[in-house]
Amino acid sequence: DSGVTQTPKHLITATGQRVTLRCSPRSGDLSVYWYQQSLDQGLQFLIQYYNGEERAKGNILERFSAQQFPDLHSELNLSSLELGDSALYFCASSGRATTDTQYFGPGTRLTVL
Amino acid sequence: GEDVEQSLFLSVREGDSSVINCTYTDSSSTYLYWYKQEPGAGLQLLTYIFSNMDMKQDQRLTVLLNKKDKHLSLRIADTQTGDSAIYFCAERLEGSQGNLIFGKGTKLSVKP
Repeated sequence: DSGVTQTPKHLITATGQRVTLRCSPRSGDLSVYWYQQSLDQGLQFLIQYYNGEERAKGNILERFSAQQFPDLHSELNLSSLELGDSALYFCASSGRATTDTQYFGPGTRLTVL
Repeated sequence: GEDVEQSLFLSVREGDSSVINCTYTDSSSTYLYWYKQEPGAGLQLLTYIFSNMDMKQDQRLTVLLNKKDKHLSLRIADTQTGDSAIYFCAERLEGSQGNLIFGKGTKLSVKP
């Protein structure tokens, strides 16, 4: 158990809908990272927050957004969902330094029908 | 550009050593990682190596880094059926905010 929790574990929804994925980092970790794992693209970095502020952006679509709250949990919002958004979404957390190791949560499997 | 490459499959017999290879293109990598993903599970950190090191050993795991050739390997000694999983190599670049660049993963199958 990495100490990072993600809910829900599975999510099934329809095209055009909007969903919210939630992540709670390890106790004491200030950084949260979101990654998408799909069969064709592999594991891709989406976005990073540090202590409530956006730090880095990767291959995140404009239809996707995220935020980190004062209690350090983070939410990833996916809207106008398309079939191609079906994937495993992972959250990872790390400590204060950017060199700190990232620990991954169990992931949320999103299926868009 | 940033790219991390791994072979997709590796099959070994139980008790043998497994060697999973990875190459990366960006010479500004600072840390290199190995993660393990079992079916239906998240990513478990196995080990990591700082870019100024050549080797790191941790119980059955040995990581070798050839910085000149930008080649990283993970050796698993006495491979067990429980080691069957997908192994991901990842790099963190100098100057980045810490996000990782992953390879596509190597699926290790261990035959009894």
